[in-house]
Amino acid sequence: DIQMTQSPSSLSASVGGRVTITCRASQGISNSLAWFQQKPGKAPKSLIYAASSLQSGVPSKFSGSGSGTDFTLTISSLQPEDFATYYCQQYNSYPFTFGPGTKVDIK
Amino acid sequence: EVQLVESGGAVVQLGGSLRLSCAASGFTFDDYNMHWVRQAPGKGLEWVSLISWDGTTTYYTASVKGRFTMSRDNNKNSVYLQMNRLRPEDTALYYCVKGAGHYFDQWGEGALVTVSS
Repeated sequence: DIQMTQSPSSLSASVGGRVTITCRASQGISNSLAWFQQKPGKAPKSLIYAASSLQSGVPSKFSGSGSGTDFTLTISSLQPEDFATYYCQQYNSYPFTFGPGTKVDIK
Repeated sequence: EVQLVESGGAVVQLGGSLRLSCAASGFTFDDYNMHWVRQAPGKGLEWVSLISWDGTTTYYTASVKGRFTMSRDNNKNSVYLQMNRLRPEDTALYYCVKGAGHYFDQWGEGALVTVSS
């Protein structure tokens, strides 16, 4: 199975700030990487697929990059509604696997 | 608007069985693969299974293979997850997820399964 790691596991940021989350795959996955946002008590929301393509309706403040084994999610101009846990996931091979999540909270 | 509504969650005894359902609307159901993803209380996300658009292909994570069966009825716009020989570690919120190619698209709100010992 492909193992996914994320760093940091948590971070604090200010409203209006910018954060970058890193995701690493244990082997190359091309660009078969997705990002999800989950708020407490809510279902995950799909943000990005194919490493850098925004899902419909997702604002351009979210951006993704990377290929192979190393990927990043950047969120700019943080707003209160962006404070959540973010997960990466590979869908290059079965079983699909998720990273452990990065919790972004308010500084 | 895409809607995915899970049902069938319950408290079940160790070793028991349960069937989850997911009713889909707002899209051409039989054009899309579907998935189940679960989340244990306070934990991260775990992909459980996939079924192809026509129901002919399924994949499972290793821990549920041989115990869980995913199926679909395209006439009823529904997918199902039959869970047998349930274990405490199967306790989780189970999400029904619409596929888009191989990646995930829309998520349901989840159905809670609790396995008691």
